[in-house]
Amino acid sequence: QSALTQPASVSGSPGQSITLSCTGSTSNVGSYNLVSWYQQHPGKAPKLMIYEATKRPPGISDRFSGSKSGNTASLTISGLQPEDEADYYCCSYAGGSTYVFGTGTVVSVL
Amino acid sequence: QVHLVQSGAEVKKPGASVKVSCETSGYTFTSYHITWVRQAPGQGLEWMGRISGYNGNTDYAQGLQGRITMTTDKSTSTAFMELKSLRSDDTAVYYCVRDSNYYDPREFWGQGTLVTVSS
Repeated sequence: QSALTQPASVSGSPGQSITLSCTGSTSNVGSYNLVSWYQQHPGKAPKLMIYEATKRPPGISDRFSGSKSGNTASLTISGLQPEDEADYYCCSYAGGSTYVFGTGTVVSVL
Repeated sequence: QVHLVQSGAEVKKPGASVKVSCETSGYTFTSYHITWVRQAPGQGLEWMGRISGYNGNTDYAQGLQGRITMTTDKSTSTAFMELKSLRSDDTAVYYCVRDSNYYDPREFWGQGTLVTVSS
């Protein structure tokens, strides 16, 4: 399975909204709602932000929202804050009881 | 609280094997899968596979089939990941993850174990 495609970097100013994309295929994103999003700060373990494409785990700010259309999933961060600066990865079920991660997006808060 | 504590850093020579442990606590081990994810230096995340804490059933990434073995010890609520025939591109931080399930959407990650493969 090839990695899902994410933009290398996205930036925004504090208070703005940004949207990160995650493009796969009919073998993964397009066929299942099992898309997750992770936030990773330098030197730290990833943190689950969104699961099943649109759901937030307990304790995750409602500034983070997920959506999916066709083969592309998206993560929107509203009201961008300095602490949102991190790497973000999507992950999708890929059939056959396997999963595939995206290439990752570096989010910068200007 | 849920905790996953991994074994310490390892340095291995090419061709050797490494076995990383992941000791869990704070939840019912048999009710969740453990997934293993790795991250090469400066690179992205790679899904390696997962194991059922209930019956030990495994699913592995196609690219690691034949070199990877995941096991569990229910008596100590510990998961293990063994990777054989190590190559330099296996150098990475290896994470264990307690998966979510139908009743609990939370995930919990171990602190990571750096495995360095170098001659």
